[in-house]
Amino acid sequence: GNSVTQMEGPVTLSEEAFLTINCTYTATGYPSLFWYVQYPGEGLQLLLKATKADDKGSNKGFEATYRKETTSFHLEKGSVQVSDSAVYFCALRNTGTASKLTFGTGTRLQVTL
Amino acid sequence: DTGVSQDPRHKITKRGQNVTFRCDPISEHNRLYWYRQTLGQGPEFLTYFQNEAQLEKSRLLSDRFSAERPKGSFSTLEIQRTEQGDSAMYLCASSSRQGAHSGANVLTFGAGSRLTVL
Repeated sequence: GNSVTQMEGPVTLSEEAFLTINCTYTATGYPSLFWYVQYPGEGLQLLLKATKADDKGSNKGFEATYRKETTSFHLEKGSVQVSDSAVYFCALRNTGTASKLTFGTGTRLQVTL
Repeated sequence: DTGVSQDPRHKITKRGQNVTFRCDPISEHNRLYWYRQTLGQGPEFLTYFQNEAQLEKSRLLSDRFSAERPKGSFSTLEIQRTEQGDSAMYLCASSSRQGAHSGANVLTFGAGSRLTVL
């Protein structure tokens, strides 16, 4: 079956630090991969996505590259801000599953001044 | 239309009572999904509709749970005889079908309905 494993949080960083949140997956076929972000009191928002191997998704300074050989989709940002504090979810959607997403457990990021 | 709306945002109920949640998707979206999220976990798929047809249900959806989308627009999720283990955030999402395997077929989530069963 499909599964997503994320690094456990919380991750606490100072503003302007470099961020990496690890995500690995197990899936048959050729899944699409996503990062969603959940700010306090708000719904999940799509942050970025990649639909095939070696694709790089990017948005708001965040990047993730679809690595089929290591089954990974690590999230990175060069310089985090306090406003990036949120919970980040890695997810996959396998082909033929009508957009049904399988999520990881989420990683809480706390950025301090 | 500004997104997916869910109502109520919070519901506190006593064990054994019935509760119903409503979801209004983005108007042009024909697919609608329900997920459940418990504290410290990622969302788990419950069920999805394409138009008014319920096409898939998770094993998580016990017979106390029922979801409907009678006119292919809004949807309701009812939980009968609630149990403390039903306490969770219930998330609704919608998407449009852009081909069977389109990578652009992205889910838009609502803010969720938080259920607390005492």
